[in-house]
Amino acid sequence: AQTVTQSQPEMSVQEAETVTLSCTYDTSESNYYLFWYKQPPSRQMILVIRQEAYKQQNATENRFSVNFQKAAKSFSLKISDSQLGDTAMYFCAGLKDSYGKLTFGQGTILTVHP
Amino acid sequence: DADVTQTPRNRITKTGKRIMLECSQTKGHDRMYWYRQDPGLGLRLIYYSFDVKDINKGEISDGYSVSRQAQAKFSLSLESAIPNQTALYFCATHWITGPNYGYTFGSGTRLTVV
Repeated sequence: AQTVTQSQPEMSVQEAETVTLSCTYDTSESNYYLFWYKQPPSRQMILVIRQEAYKQQNATENRFSVNFQKAAKSFSLKISDSQLGDTAMYFCAGLKDSYGKLTFGQGTILTVHP
Repeated sequence: DADVTQTPRNRITKTGKRIMLECSQTKGHDRMYWYRQDPGLGLRLIYYSFDVKDINKGEISDGYSVSRQAQAKFSLSLESAIPNQTALYFCATHWITGPNYGYTFGSGTRLTVV
């Protein structure tokens, strides 16, 4: 079984500063995929970034980057130059099999203050 | 139109009532999923389907049933709703095209059982 854990129920950051959201996962699979999703108050699930376990290079998407530490089973999300629109719930998720079943963490509520 | 449409957006129902949540998609994706979101628990998989004849239970299927009426339609039913089924429900599709893959989520149905 795969488990995904987000240990920070809530985080806050000042606008323009940097924040890091933590995620750990546990899987015995050698090939898996990790994701960060953003859920604003509109409830929509928006893909922020994804990482394939076989890739050594950390994924980046504009202001969003991950620190993928395979041995430590850690997959943290760094948001640089935080913006008010980044205020949302963030979910870490993992995919380990060919059935496409995602396993989600508990979520972290991020608030960006002006 | 959204790629994945869920109806209704919000619903209040009484304990013991039968209720159906509907999901339709326009992208022709074979794989469809139902998740429920609860505070502090993230999203958990209820059922998933790869075609109209391939329906599979997820981790929390008790109290739920599904119907895949067509490739584009995947409905979730609560035969006799109970208050602890109060949650936000998401339908999602999963696509794989060569090396590319992704998920498309609906906007969610917020269900309250009183």
